[in-house]
Amino acid sequence: NAGVTQTPKFRVLKTGQSMTLLCAQDMNHEYMYWYRQDPGMGLRLIHYSVGEGTTAKGEVPDGYNVSRLKKQNFLLGLESAAPSQTSVYFCASTISNQPQHFGDGTRLSIL
Amino acid sequence: GQQLNQSPQSMFIQEGEDVSMNCTSSSIFNTWLWYKQDPGEGPVLLIALYKAGELTSNGRLTAQFGITRKDSFLNISASIPSDVGIYFCAAPKTSYDKVIFGPGTSLSVIP
Repeated sequence: NAGVTQTPKFRVLKTGQSMTLLCAQDMNHEYMYWYRQDPGMGLRLIHYSVGEGTTAKGEVPDGYNVSRLKKQNFLLGLESAAPSQTSVYFCASTISNQPQHFGDGTRLSIL
Repeated sequence: GQQLNQSPQSMFIQEGEDVSMNCTSSSIFNTWLWYKQDPGEGPVLLIALYKAGELTSNGRLTAQFGITRKDSFLNISASIPSDVGIYFCAAPKTSYDKVIFGPGTSLSVIP
């Protein structure tokens, strides 16, 4: 019962570097989401997907791209990392009209 | 835009005390969710509320869907050290493709 798995768990980048965060779910969920969590601001939606091959912008999409090539995977990319993107990133998944299940997060620091 | 407000922002209580926290909005919602986030982990769903006035319990936790549909309350009875964490309220905007989260209430329990 893996649920939602995020890799890596921790990462330190230099400004301008690129990287991809991977989210994998084994529950056959249609909907997947990427959030960032910053102190005092709760969870803010970056991008989401309602099915394989589809993506949509959330509340704070700038500086990020996503892809959903396979139903079970949702990738979050940072093309040119900036210090403002230092955060904890959470992936979540669900089926329609059900609460979301979250992964344990990726802690990302941009120097 | 729509946003959720949570109070208090943080709480320090003695083990065994009861806890009350709330979530308010200027918008009406048809569903209220309460999540708990343990340190270093992702949020986990505690209680989901689907009807105005509904009162739902999960062990020592009780949550209520406000009658105006603009607020929700979470109570924890006889707190224990493992209740430590951040409690988030959340509500789907229209459907589960977009869920907004409150900023959280941080709970510390003093043994």
